[in-house]
Amino acid sequence: QVHLVESGGGVVQPGRSLRLSCAASGFTFSGNYGMHWVRQAPGKGLEWVTVISNDGSLRYYGDSVKGRFTISRDTSTNTLYLQMNSLRIEDTAVYYCARYFGELSSWDHWGQGTLVTVSS
Amino acid sequence: QSVLTQPPSVSAGAGQRVTMSCSGSSSNIGSNYVSWYQQLPGTAPTLLIYEDNKRPSGIPDRFSASKSGASAILAITGLQTGDEADYYCGTWHSSLNIAVFGGGTKLTVL
Repeated sequence: QVHLVESGGGVVQPGRSLRLSCAASGFTFSGNYGMHWVRQAPGKGLEWVTVISNDGSLRYYGDSVKGRFTISRDTSTNTLYLQMNSLRIEDTAVYYCARYFGELSSWDHWGQGTLVTVSS
Repeated sequence: QSVLTQPPSVSAGAGQRVTMSCSGSSSNIGSNYVSWYQQLPGTAPTLLIYEDNKRPSGIPDRFSASKSGASAILAITGLQTGDEADYYCGTWHSSLNIAVFGGGTKLTVL
């Protein structure tokens, strides 16, 4: 059974950094799965943040986080990371990690999310 | 403002049928598969439809979807109060190498 469990959220001041983790289990982490971060600001819709390919060779970012956020994955621990630097108030959101299954062309499993609040 | 356009809300009575749209462009919906997600209040999104019109196991056939050109539609028949949720469409945007979601549609079952 696939499980994605995010952690690392919390309250942080503008301009500071935070690293989110997503522990994956129940599937071959290095298989045909891109791993994504998707966020949702309070009361708002889903916003795609970033993706990393199954072998880590490709990474793409949304314009709102490009140059500030870095996605990475550790296949030895089956963990996805999101390093968030220079945080802004508008980065406040629940951050979900989601598995993208190429054979279904969709995000077939999502974590429960972790809340990041950027506030002075 | 989302790249994909969805109506903010739709409503219909219990047992009735409702549809909701998702409009994009030739670079996203027009050239990539669309998937749909249901987000019940206070929970994470879950996959409802993949590859434009396919249902994962466990999703009842009350849920169906279609796509034509750069637009997609999700239909729900036999509405139940448990269907009240936010519904999102999503796809890949080829020319920008980004994923895109619609702004979401809130379904109210009257």
